[in-house]
Amino acid sequence: ETGVTQSPTHLIKTRGQQVTLRCSSQSGHNTVSWYQQALGQGPQFIFQYYREEENGRGNFPPRFSGLQFPNYSSELNVNALELDDSALYLCASSFLGNEKLFFGSGTQLSVL
Amino acid sequence: QKEVEQNSGPLSVPEGAIASLNCTYSDRGSQSFFWYRQYSGKSPELIMFIYSNGDKEDGRFTAQLNKASQYVSLLIRDSQPSDSATYLCAVNIGNGGATNKLIFGTGTLLAVQP
Repeated sequence: ETGVTQSPTHLIKTRGQQVTLRCSSQSGHNTVSWYQQALGQGPQFIFQYYREEENGRGNFPPRFSGLQFPNYSSELNVNALELDDSALYLCASSFLGNEKLFFGSGTQLSVL
Repeated sequence: QKEVEQNSGPLSVPEGAIASLNCTYSDRGSQSFFWYRQYSGKSPELIMFIYSNGDKEDGRFTAQLNKASQYVSLLIRDSQPSDSATYLCAVNIGNGGATNKLIFGTGTLLAVQP
């Protein structure tokens, strides 16, 4: 149990729709990262937030966007959903400068 | 393209044996290396991290790093059926502290046979 919580657990959307996923960081952590894990693959880095600003991004298009709030919780927004967006979305929190990431239980997104 | 490569397995070992999991990485400038365990349907769990060449031991787990060969390994001694999981190797290619950008391999599935 890492103390990182994500909601919802599962979500089903149709192509073209928009989705918002939520994450609450572990107490004391001020940085949140989002990863996408397709079936049979390792997690892929989407972006990281610190002090409510994006401070690192992977190879994901702009329709993937995020927010971090003053209490360090975070949202991942995906617009214009595509079938390939079906994956497990993982949130990870850490303290800036500490490389150890602690993952939440994830949100399983299915796009039909 | 910065990559991390692992044999997908499955690696099957008998209970009580040593399981050896291997990983290579392409970014020669990488400084931080991690092993995560992921049970089916669950999220990754950090089990080991290593920054310096050589061995690092924690209980039944030993991480080994060879930066010259760009090679990281994880040894699990006295393997138990509960160790059966996918083991993910990860390398931090972030900018030295401000950004943690982990590149993961596809993972090795370990099956410990009772």
